[in-house]
Amino acid sequence: DAGVIQSPRHEVTEMGQEVTLRCKPISGHNSLFWYRQTMMRGLELLIYFNNNVPIDDSGMPEDRFSAKMPNASFSTLKIQPSEPRDSAVYFCASSFGQGQETQYFGPGTRLLVL
Amino acid sequence: KQEVTQIPAALSVPEGENLVLNCSFTDSAIYNLQWFRQDPGKGLTSLLLIQSSQREQTSGRLNASLDKSSGRSTLYIAASQPGDSATYLCAPDTGTASKLTFGTGTRLQVTL
Repeated sequence: DAGVIQSPRHEVTEMGQEVTLRCKPISGHNSLFWYRQTMMRGLELLIYFNNNVPIDDSGMPEDRFSAKMPNASFSTLKIQPSEPRDSAVYFCASSFGQGQETQYFGPGTRLLVL
Repeated sequence: KQEVTQIPAALSVPEGENLVLNCSFTDSAIYNLQWFRQDPGKGLTSLLLIQSSQREQTSGRLNASLDKSSGRSTLYIAASQPGDSATYLCAPDTGTASKLTFGTGTRLQVTL
């Protein structure tokens, strides 16, 4: 199994630009999570999907952030417009069932907003 | 709101030592607790998952215990090796939309 796949691995953009991060979960997993990791705040859950439906988006920082899961094998996290404080590593994870199983993490996307 | 504390924040030990990493959490109403390791610049790798009904879980040289009522978990690493050097994170699952809350981690260095 290829594991959770994220792209791009690195992204450098200028403030105000739109950023789209992509995730392919492990085949057969029906729960998908987006996390953000920073030195100041550690790892934080942004949004959780189950069977392609957003279940909890209370961690999404503000309206500039949006996430979609159009099908079981693909999800996007979009930031528009991006700001320097959005600089972080964004992780996608997936698991079986209702999400209370082992979560498998992707390698992350390192985002730098100048 | 769940708060997770990991002690110590950093630890350096010589190869071969047994060691214990500590995790405490404020909300004992959890479904499970997971331990992860994170290597520099990499994603997280799940090590162990303990269900709330379990007291401990073992995988190779790793043993994790859970005392749900007191809000504590420990990760025991036996006969440490340089390859164990990484940051170890614990994450209780409150079950509210499967929300893992991560501690800040313990950075472990095992020296030759």
